[in-house]
Amino acid sequence: RKEVEQDPGPFNVPEGATVAFNCTYSNSASQSFFWYRQDCRKEPKLLMSVYSSGNEDGRFTAQLNRASQYISLLIRDSKLSDSATYLCVVNVNDYKLSFGAGTTVTVRA
Amino acid sequence: DAGVTQSPTHLIKTRGQQVTLRCSPKSGHDTVSWYQQALGQGPQFIFQYYEEEERQRGNFPDRFSGHQFPNYSSELNVNALLLGDSALYLCASSLTPRPRETQYFGPGTRLLVL
Repeated sequence: RKEVEQDPGPFNVPEGATVAFNCTYSNSASQSFFWYRQDCRKEPKLLMSVYSSGNEDGRFTAQLNRASQYISLLIRDSKLSDSATYLCVVNVNDYKLSFGAGTTVTVRA
Repeated sequence: DAGVTQSPTHLIKTRGQQVTLRCSPKSGHDTVSWYQQALGQGPQFIFQYYEEEERQRGNFPDRFSGHQFPNYSSELNVNALLLGDSALYLCASSLTPRPRETQYFGPGTRLLVL
């Protein structure tokens, strides 16, 4: 089983729509969770950390479900600029982070 | 405040050759991690350097080696290049080696092995 698995998509949504996707992780001892955003041919950039109680940053909401070992990301009121690949990131030990293959989101006008 | 820088931006090599990639961390950061990202895949962890030592290593062969200098900059060396080594090589720096720390990525080096 892969350390981190994501639905690759693509999720093709109109502007203003809500889009949500999940990521599952295999190590029940993982403590650190993140969503990174990667634009085409660019480096990944931190979108948000994911906390146990769930957290929100503007139009973005992240949730953590430890029992089922998944993380979710929800984007409300999608903008064209939200088109990107979203990478789920989980620590697998004290030093190593594992990245999912990414979920591609395309927002159309 | 300079972010993470990497050089070169692009590189073309042939099979069997050796390559050295360089990374300068973000100001104030002392930890450098290297990743390989193949097309359509997420970044795969190669190794992490802290206090000039390799602290953690991913599932990569010994052909991949690295170094960290006293100024915290780092090099990634790959020997005996294979076609499958063609990828985007990303360097990320952080304040500490702990995974809860945000990692800041450089723009990457695109390596093509012919």
